[in-house]
Amino acid sequence: QVQLKETGPDLVQLTQTLSITCTVSGFSLTTYNVHWVRQPPGKGLEWMGAMWNGGGTDYNSAFKSRLSISRDTSKSQVFLKMNSLQTDDTAKYFCARHPDPEIDGELGFDYWGQGVMVTVSS
Amino acid sequence: DTVLTQSPALAVSPGERVTISCRASESVSTLMHWYQQKPGQQPTLLIYLASNLESGVPARFSGSGSGTDFTLTIDPVEADDTATYYCQQSWNDPPTFGGGTKLELK
Repeated sequence: QVQLKETGPDLVQLTQTLSITCTVSGFSLTTYNVHWVRQPPGKGLEWMGAMWNGGGTDYNSAFKSRLSISRDTSKSQVFLKMNSLQTDDTAKYFCARHPDPEIDGELGFDYWGQGVMVTVSS
Repeated sequence: DTVLTQSPALAVSPGERVTISCRASESVSTLMHWYQQKPGQQPTLLIYLASNLESGVPARFSGSGSGTDFTLTIDPVEADDTATYYCQQSWNDPPTFGGGTKLELK
């Protein structure tokens, strides 16, 4: 059974660093890609970045050098770290599974975690 | 970045047919996907590669289009379809989402 679960703080202070963990089960991080997507309250979805199954990463340039994605395959975890948080970073943060396009073709984000709501407070 | 434009909201009666459109600012070939998101929940994949029904999704849902114009159709609409629907392209980097279409039932 495929599952993704995000864990992280409810509240982060202005200018501080956000750390969120996505723990997956039912599949291997060396076979599937994992992406991060966020959603401000009442707004749409924004792609943040990806951890590729081969260990590489890709980032939305909108986040410039604030964002870092890493993983621990032995623990089936993918990590998001973003620094210099501002109030407009208040959002629900999701991780989502993405089948490898080179193996399965492009299939979209087929499983999502429930998300973690993070509020940036001044 | 590729901008995806969706109508903000639609209201239909149960049993009717509804089409939700998504227009891309540049061609995305057929690398367009559709998601349903109910309040307080995560998005779920409905359609991938413009017209392929994700496993477990009712056949009432269908997708079409290529290039810059795409459509998600629900026929017939049921009460449980009340949700916001997002298109997402993966042809151009970075992947982008439409602003969402909120579907309400009369």
